[in-house]
Amino acid sequence: NAGVTQTPKFRILKIGQSMTLQCTQDMNHNYMYWYRQDPGMGLKLIYYSVGAGITDKGEVPNGYNVSRSTTEDFPLRLELAAPSQTSVYFCASSLDPGLASTDTQYFGPGTRLTVL
Amino acid sequence: DQQVKQNSPSLSVQEGRISILNCDYTNSMFDYFLWYKKYPAEGPTFLISISSIKDKNEDGRFTVFLNKSAKHLSLHIVPSQPGDSAVYFCAASDSSASKIIFGSGTRLSIRP
Repeated sequence: NAGVTQTPKFRILKIGQSMTLQCTQDMNHNYMYWYRQDPGMGLKLIYYSVGAGITDKGEVPNGYNVSRSTTEDFPLRLELAAPSQTSVYFCASSLDPGLASTDTQYFGPGTRLTVL
Repeated sequence: DQQVKQNSPSLSVQEGRISILNCDYTNSMFDYFLWYKKYPAEGPTFLISISSIKDKNEDGRFTVFLNKSAKHLSLHIVPSQPGDSAVYFCAASDSSASKIIFGSGTRLSIRP
């Protein structure tokens, strides 16, 4: 029972490099999310998706791109890495984020990214 | 503009006593509230939630109280145990949205 998996666990990038953070869920959830957590801060929503082929911006989308070609996968792309993108990135999924579900979001273990 | 605020970054409680974590929100459209628990190097895990039609929800040692007029909720843990040491995030959503807004978290330390 894998739940939400993220790869890689850690990554160091140089300024200007690009990379893709992978996220996969095996719970057949429609909703998927990408968050970043900076030290001493809460989770900030980067992008989210309500289903395959549909994505939307969250609070802090600048410098990132996403795609959702399948229900299972929701990769996050950094095109030109900047030091301000040093953070821990969490992917999450949910069946329904509304009132019907009590355990609304399942999170992956996170990817720690450092941009130097 | 922080819509969900946890004003205490940290809290230390003696084992066996009650831990009370607080959360305030500003958006009156929020109608569903959640608490998540996070251990180091792990993703957050869901702990307990409450709908705006209730003012209390209890699950074992964990109880969440909601005061809609004050736009305030709190999480009570009693009795506190060493394994409760973690960061606790308050979160909120409204039924018309597809996303959840998180607070900045409170680090709870349970001391012997």
